[in-house]
Amino acid sequence: EAGVAQSPRYKIIEKRQSVAFWCNPISGHATLYWYQQILGQGPKLLIQFQNNGVVDDSQLPKDRFSAERLKGVDSTLKIQPAKLEDSAVYLCASSPGGSAPNSPLHFGNGTRLTVT
Amino acid sequence: AQTVTQSQPEMSVQEAETVTLSCTYDTSESDYYLFWYKQPPSRQMILVIRQEAYKQQNATENRFSVNFQKAAKSFSLKISDSQLGDAAMYFCAYRSWRATSGTYKYIFGTGTRLKVLA
Repeated sequence: EAGVAQSPRYKIIEKRQSVAFWCNPISGHATLYWYQQILGQGPKLLIQFQNNGVVDDSQLPKDRFSAERLKGVDSTLKIQPAKLEDSAVYLCASSPGGSAPNSPLHFGNGTRLTVT
Repeated sequence: AQTVTQSQPEMSVQEAETVTLSCTYDTSESDYYLFWYKQPPSRQMILVIRQEAYKQQNATENRFSVNFQKAAKSFSLKISDSQLGDAAMYFCAYRSWRATSGTYKYIFGTGTRLKVLA
């Protein structure tokens, strides 16, 4: 099966600019996660979708971050305006959804964002 | 709230030797899963091994095994016969079930960087 696809792989922007990341999960995976991974830290959940509905966005800085998964398939994460502290790797992950205890998270390759 | 702690920011091991990475967690739940993920420089997180909390037998996957101590809330990863390709960041993760949404929630530790010396 094809894995989780993310683009771009790298992005460099200046502070106050906007940026968007795209993720296409594994086909049929209902649950999609966006994580922020700051250098030297573990992934931190930004937002979790179940199909096209938001399950958890409690740690998403909503004044500057937004995400959508309109058709319940691919998803876009946007930052506007970016701050220096947004420099991180943004990871997308997916899982089948529902109670599938033996199915782990599947991750994409991530997007490394550098804000200057 | 659940937490996951990895107290070793960095570990080194000689090629062909054995190394153990530590992980502790805190939870009041009785039914959960624990995972170890590997993140090489390519950044993609790869599942190494998983453990179901209600299973007393420790999970093994080839050269990788865990020591799961449920009462102590400890979940360490042992890598035997270490290889150069094992060099990576290793993350311990806790997974619980969100009944309200019918989905899983994952919490990750801060990671341990493993260096393998030739």
